Amino acid sequence: EIVMTQSPATLSVSPGERATLSCRASQSVRMNLHWYQQKPGQAPRLLIYGASTRATGIPARFSGSGSGTEFTLTITSLQSEDFAVYYCHQFYGWPQTFGQGTKVEIK
Amino acid sequence: QVQLVQSGAEMKKPGASVRVSCKTSGYTFTGYYFHWVRQAPGQGLQWMGYINPNSGGTNYPQKFQGRVTMTRDTSIATAYMELTSLTSDDTAVYYCAREGLSGSYFDYWGQGTLVTVSS
Repeated sequence: EIVMTQSPATLSVSPGERATLSCRASQSVRMNLHWYQQKPGQAPRLLIYGASTRATGIPARFSGSGSGTEFTLTITSLQSEDFAVYYCHQFYGWPQTFGQGTKVEIK
Repeated sequence: QVQLVQSGAEMKKPGASVRVSCKTSGYTFTGYYFHWVRQAPGQGLQWMGYINPNSGGTNYPQKFQGRVTMTRDTSIATAYMELTSLTSDDTAVYYCAREGLSGSYFDYWGQGTLVTVSS
């Protein structure tokens, strides 16, 4: 099983600042890495697929990068609605696995 | 617009089974694979397997093999997930999710169904 490790577990950021979230895979997942945002009481929402492609309707302040085992989700100029938990997800190895999540909270 | 609407919350006793439904609309049901993901209280996401709505073919990770069954009814564009031999560890929110057409991501999700297992 491919283990996905996200860091940090919690990120405290002020509105308007930049947030950088990391996701590391225990073995290569090539570009098969996706990012989701989840707010309390809601289902996850797809943000980024294929490591770097924004999903439909996702603002340009969200961007993804990386390949192989190291991936980054960057949120420039954090808005109030961006405070949430973010999960990475690999669909390359069997079984599919998710990271444990990074909580982005207001500083 | 694409919608995935799940059945309501369930409370079950240990050893029982639960079936969660996911009714879809706004797209061709048989054109997209369907997955189930669960989330225990305060925890992360765990993938449970998928069904090909066109053929009915399924694939489950070892952790759930023998306990989970995914089915579908194409006449009403609805997918189902049944989990048997429930324990307290199965208490979670269960989500259905559609697999994107151009890749291995989940582009639409149901609202979630809370299943509570308690004696």
